[in-house]
Amino acid sequence: GQNIDQPTEMTATEGAIVQINCTYQTSGFNGLFWYQQHAGEAPTFLSYNVLDGLEEKGRFSSFLSRSKGYSYLLLKELQMKDSASYLCAVTRGSTLGRLYFGRGTQLTVWP
Amino acid sequence: DVKVTQSSRYLVKRTGEKVFLECVQDMDHENMFWYRQDPGLGLRLIYFSYDVKMKEKGDIPEGYSVSREKKERFSLILESASTNQTSMYLCASSLGGLSSGANVLTFGAGSRLTVL
Repeated sequence: GQNIDQPTEMTATEGAIVQINCTYQTSGFNGLFWYQQHAGEAPTFLSYNVLDGLEEKGRFSSFLSRSKGYSYLLLKELQMKDSASYLCAVTRGSTLGRLYFGRGTQLTVWP
Repeated sequence: DVKVTQSSRYLVKRTGEKVFLECVQDMDHENMFWYRQDPGLGLRLIYFSYDVKMKEKGDIPEGYSVSREKKERFSLILESASTNQTSMYLCASSLGGLSSGANVLTFGAGSRLTVL
């Protein structure tokens, strides 16, 4: 099976920077996704990394190290609306369309 | 601008009832998925489908079945609902194929099922 680990909860203050880590042990790893889910809503796509390195998209960036089985999501200039659950998910080459999700990290942003 | 539509937002059913959860996508996606989401357990895959009339078991298929008679519609069926199937059910779809972004999931709003 897939072993995907991310912290259960994190807190930060408005304007700060927070890094949410995700480690995985997946045979046939293909790529890694990050999703955001606000309470009571559906998950929405944030980023997708296939190659090593940093992908920047506005206030959010995602990093991948395939050799270390490690990714992080970096959120800058935090806003209250960033309070949400952040889900890490991986795909495997043998089952390309299927995503394997971690349990999510609940981020709370305080004023 | 709704792309993945789940028929019911909230349902309350009794133990032993047959339950149908419907999902329709209007993006001509190949792949469709049913997940359930429970506190502390995250998203768990029940069933998925890569094509019409095709289905694959996910991690927790017991007690569920699915139907995909048309490309745009993927139904989840609980043959005899039980209290441990009380959960949030999320439908999702993806384009499919090998292009970048082919596996990005678009989720529906979810169906919260309570079995009494």
